[in-house]
Amino acid sequence: KQEVTQIPAALSVPEGENLVLNCSFTDSAIYNLQWFRQDPGKGLTSLLLIQSSQREQTSGRLNASLDKSSGRSTLYIAASQPGDSATYLCAVNQAGTALIFGKGTTLSVSS
Amino acid sequence: EAQVTQNPRYLITVTGKKLTVTCSQNMNHEYMSWYRQDPGLGLRQIYYSMNVEVTDKGDVPEGYKVSRKEKRNFPLILESPSPNQTSLYFCASSIKGGTSGRASRDTQYFGPGTRLTVL
Repeated sequence: KQEVTQIPAALSVPEGENLVLNCSFTDSAIYNLQWFRQDPGKGLTSLLLIQSSQREQTSGRLNASLDKSSGRSTLYIAASQPGDSATYLCAVNQAGTALIFGKGTTLSVSS
Repeated sequence: EAQVTQNPRYLITVTGKKLTVTCSQNMNHEYMSWYRQDPGLGLRQIYYSMNVEVTDKGDVPEGYKVSRKEKRNFPLILESPSPNQTSLYFCASSIKGGTSGRASRDTQYFGPGTRLTVL
């Protein structure tokens, strides 16, 4: 059974730092992996989707990588800002199941 | 603006009083899904729909019903709510469902969430 783990559960950094959020999964037979952002009282916003054949995707200050063979993905945030404070969730997509989510990393960026 | 909307956003009700949470998307998506989010358990799928009149159970369907009479709408129905259904509910949609069912290979777009409390 697929399990998705995100470490750390919480992270606090000062504004301007570059940071990495980690996501690991136990079954490498995935279609893709998606990173979401969740703000309190709001829904999930899709940040990046990486297909299983891809190694990375970039959007602005965000870069997500995928190493399917080792069951790992990272979300790199460059030059963090207070507005980046949120919970970040990764989810894997595979045959025959719904999206399987990690429990998330709650990021706090202080000014 | 492309979006998934849910109503109501907040709801407090009592045990046994039937309720419906509506979900609507304006992107002409075929695939729609309902999730619930609980502390320590993360997001779990309740029901999904691959297209109009095609629905199926997810991981935690007990106590819920859905219907898909129109492409844009996918309401979640709680016939007799109980306190263990207190949760944060999300509706999601994507262009198409996966060929092997349940999931979609495409980016999923989520609604803002409905916080339900059952007393």
